[in-house]
Amino acid sequence: NAGVMQNPRHLVRRRGQEARLRCSPMKGHSHVYWYRQLPEEGLKFMVYLQKENIIDESGMPKERFSAEFPKEGPSILRIQQVVRGDSAAYFCASSPYGQNYEQYFGPGTRLTVT
Amino acid sequence: AQSVAQPEDQVNVAEGNPLTVKCTYSVSGNPYLFWYVQYPNRGLQFLLKYITGDNLVKGSYGFEAEFNKSQTSFHLKKPSALVSDSALYFCAALPSSGGYNKLIFGAGTRLAVHP
Repeated sequence: NAGVMQNPRHLVRRRGQEARLRCSPMKGHSHVYWYRQLPEEGLKFMVYLQKENIIDESGMPKERFSAEFPKEGPSILRIQQVVRGDSAAYFCASSPYGQNYEQYFGPGTRLTVT
Repeated sequence: AQSVAQPEDQVNVAEGNPLTVKCTYSVSGNPYLFWYVQYPNRGLQFLLKYITGDNLVKGSYGFEAEFNKSQTSFHLKKPSALVSDSALYFCAALPSSGGYNKLIFGAGTRLAVHP
């Protein structure tokens, strides 16, 4: 059973470009979470999604950030018009239905904005 | 605001000695508590969790953690440290309010085990 997969592992964008980060949850998992890790800091919750639904986006910046988890395919975290402050590691986690405490993390995507 | 504190940025231990990485939490209700480890340029690996029951929880790689409700602490311990334990350790809490959805992480403690 493959673990949580994220791609790309490293992403470089110039200021003003768009970044798309993908997360494929573990097989059988229907819940996805996105966290952001700024340099020298712990992870901060961004958003919690189930298939086709955003359940909790209380940690998402109000502008430029969006997330989706379609019926088919991976979850996507989209950052429009990136700025240098968006440079961070973005981690995705997934959990099985009804077991939100069992969050399994992917390897992360390291976004660098130049 | 709910938070998790790891008061030490770094812990230095000699190989073979016991280690403790401290964690305290300020979270309402009865949170679930976790320890994760992160190796360089890698994701988080789950070590152990406390949900209910025995205050001493055993986890992966010989680690254990002691839950203390009165002190709101969940310190990570290992009786005999290995050089390969050197990594970044995160304590996290999953609050019961809001449906146990979002983990609250501490800032992390870097463990350095010297030969």
